[in-house]
Amino acid sequence: EAGVVQSPRYKIIEKKQPVAFWCNPISGHNTLYWYRQNLGQGPELLIRYENEEAVDDSQLPKDRFSAERLKGVDSTLKIQPAELGDSAVYLCASSGTSGDTYEQYFGPGTRLTVT
Amino acid sequence: AQKITQTQPGMFVQEKEAVTLDCTYDTSDQSYGLFWYKQPSSGEMIFLIYQGSYDEQNATEGRYSLNFQKARKSANLVISASQLGDSAMYFCAILRGYNKLIFGAGTRLAVHP
Repeated sequence: EAGVVQSPRYKIIEKKQPVAFWCNPISGHNTLYWYRQNLGQGPELLIRYENEEAVDDSQLPKDRFSAERLKGVDSTLKIQPAELGDSAVYLCASSGTSGDTYEQYFGPGTRLTVT
Repeated sequence: AQKITQTQPGMFVQEKEAVTLDCTYDTSDQSYGLFWYKQPSSGEMIFLIYQGSYDEQNATEGRYSLNFQKARKSANLVISASQLGDSAMYFCAILRGYNKLIFGAGTRLAVHP
């Protein structure tokens, strides 16, 4: 079974530029999460999707961040414009609807560096 | 508000020995879950073990066990017979509601040969 796929793995951009991250969850997983992990800290939830619907986006900085999950499968997280403080690892995770629903499966993350 | 505290920024252990990574939590919820994840240098978060707040027995998964002390609000991870491949960051997390995970700051474990 394929795991959560994220791309790109690394991204370096200048401040004020836009950037986008892509995530493909585990097949059949209805719930998708985007986390941000700052250096030396644990991940923090940005947004959670149940199928196509964003059900928890309270931590998403909506002035510059946006996300979408068209057709309830893969998802894109965008930052426009990026700021120096956005440098972090962006992790995508997914979880299923039966059995081990409490377990979230994480992708390898995208390491963003804003210069 | 829920909070996870991991007081050990770094830990060292000799190969084949056991190590305990500390985790305390704060929550007002009656029902919650506690997790441990491993994050190697590759960046992926790997699920290790889960403990439900109503589980009376401590969870075990192979070489991993969770020392759950509900009254003290602690959920320490014990790794037995450490291996070099255990060197990584370890994160404790609490599950709020159905699927909102709140993570601690992590502990970096280094296993020496």
